[in-house]
Amino acid sequence: DGGITQSPKYLFRKEGQNVTLSCEQNLNHDAMYWYRQDPGQGLRLIYYSQIVNDFQKGDIAEGYSVSREKKESFPLTVTSAQKNPTAFYLCASNGLDSTSTDTQYFGPGTRLTVL
Amino acid sequence: AQKVTQAQTEISVVEKEDVTLDCVYETRDTTYYLFWYKQPPSGELVFLIRRNSFDEQNEISGRYSWNFQKSTSSFNFTITASQVVDSAVYFCALSEALSYNTDKLIFGTGTRLQVFP
Repeated sequence: DGGITQSPKYLFRKEGQNVTLSCEQNLNHDAMYWYRQDPGQGLRLIYYSQIVNDFQKGDIAEGYSVSREKKESFPLTVTSAQKNPTAFYLCASNGLDSTSTDTQYFGPGTRLTVL
Repeated sequence: AQKVTQAQTEISVVEKEDVTLDCVYETRDTTYYLFWYKQPPSGELVFLIRRNSFDEQNEISGRYSWNFQKSTSSFNFTITASQVVDSAVYFCALSEALSYNTDKLIFGTGTRLQVFP
């Protein structure tokens, strides 16, 4: 089945640790995204990538890093510099709809809790 | 500034009632897309609809319908004859173009719908 997978589903981190969240897609999409969701709020964009070996900061990139070495994969590292990392993290991807950006489809999410 | 407002934080209805979720947006762009996503308790965002800013026709899909009105910058979502399985948080979103193949989605704060049997 085509889709987006994220792992792990739940992640616990101690203060001062870096953790990496996995996002993989087999939809052959060039564009990928990371969003953060806090309780009672909408999603906010952390990073996005247009194509392999390219990525750009979104609105709340501080304390996060990404890589895009393969088309299928867009891992997100939450560093110790991120002051309030406890949140729900969602990965998304999209292709092109003729000449315009197509719908973003989302993975199941990773819930990160800092202990 | 681009913004999406979902003024209804939570709505409770009894099964078979009709319910409308409101969405008001602000944008300076002439070309944009509007979306609705459903987030069940599992957390995954499920895509429901995408609407082009040039297409104001209302859309119906089974029990779901959407009313897009550019004059009032609204994109409301109605569920007819609601069911318990409709219980979820519903998000309205607005696209902002970042590049030729990437958009930022600007989300509202969501409306939690609870449907009671």
